[in-house]
Amino acid sequence: QVQLVQSGAEVKKPGASVKVSCKASGYSFNSYYIQWVRQAPGQGLEWMGTINPRDGSTRYAENLQGRVTMTRDTSTNTVYMELSSLRSEDTAVYFCARDMGLSYIIDYWGLGTLVTVSS
Amino acid sequence: DIVMTQSPDSLAVSLGERATINCKSSQSVLYNSNNKNCLAWYQQKPGQSPKLLIYGASTREFGVPDRFSGSGSGTDFTLTISSLQAEDVAVYYCQQYYSTPRITFGPGTKVDIK
Repeated sequence: QVQLVQSGAEVKKPGASVKVSCKASGYSFNSYYIQWVRQAPGQGLEWMGTINPRDGSTRYAENLQGRVTMTRDTSTNTVYMELSSLRSEDTAVYFCARDMGLSYIIDYWGLGTLVTVSS
Repeated sequence: DIVMTQSPDSLAVSLGERATINCKSSQSVLYNSNNKNCLAWYQQKPGQSPKLLIYGASTREFGVPDRFSGSGSGTDFTLTISSLQAEDVAVYYCQQYYSTPRITFGPGTKVDIK
């Protein structure tokens, strides 16, 4: 079965960086985009970006350009999302999620990784 | 970016009654080349990840109970739960995937039991 297993919760200080991992299993890793979506406490869903595991190409949300980097390791079927210059507004649960099929419809979600930014 | 709005913000419905959630996009999400609406609905229960319910405005994802249905076209869409069950308490989000990669979500509608 499809599984997306994310790394554990993080606490970071403002200005620091965080790198969240997402290990995929149960399907052909190279055949489906991975989306990253975040959710601030009590808030809605915000798309952050997309990575194509086949070639590593990425697309990022405009408001995160320059601060977010998504990468993948095909040897371990893992994708990574790194967010730099953290600020308090980045406190959120970060989800990796599988795209249904190059469609930007999300059919499987990880459990989420809570990132807390606090001095 | 396409802005998605939802109404109401929250609603409380008696068990077995109908729940209706509306979603509106700031521009049409109808893909003319295949006449498909690029609109999905997700359910997020407390403390859980979102779950895909419907895509293409009206196609139920595999395994989703048939009490969930989606309708609408262009800019106006509706998610209907025909007979609310206790396990349907959740926040429901609509999402457009017309303007990829910049997908956007609605703000969510919270459904509770009256």
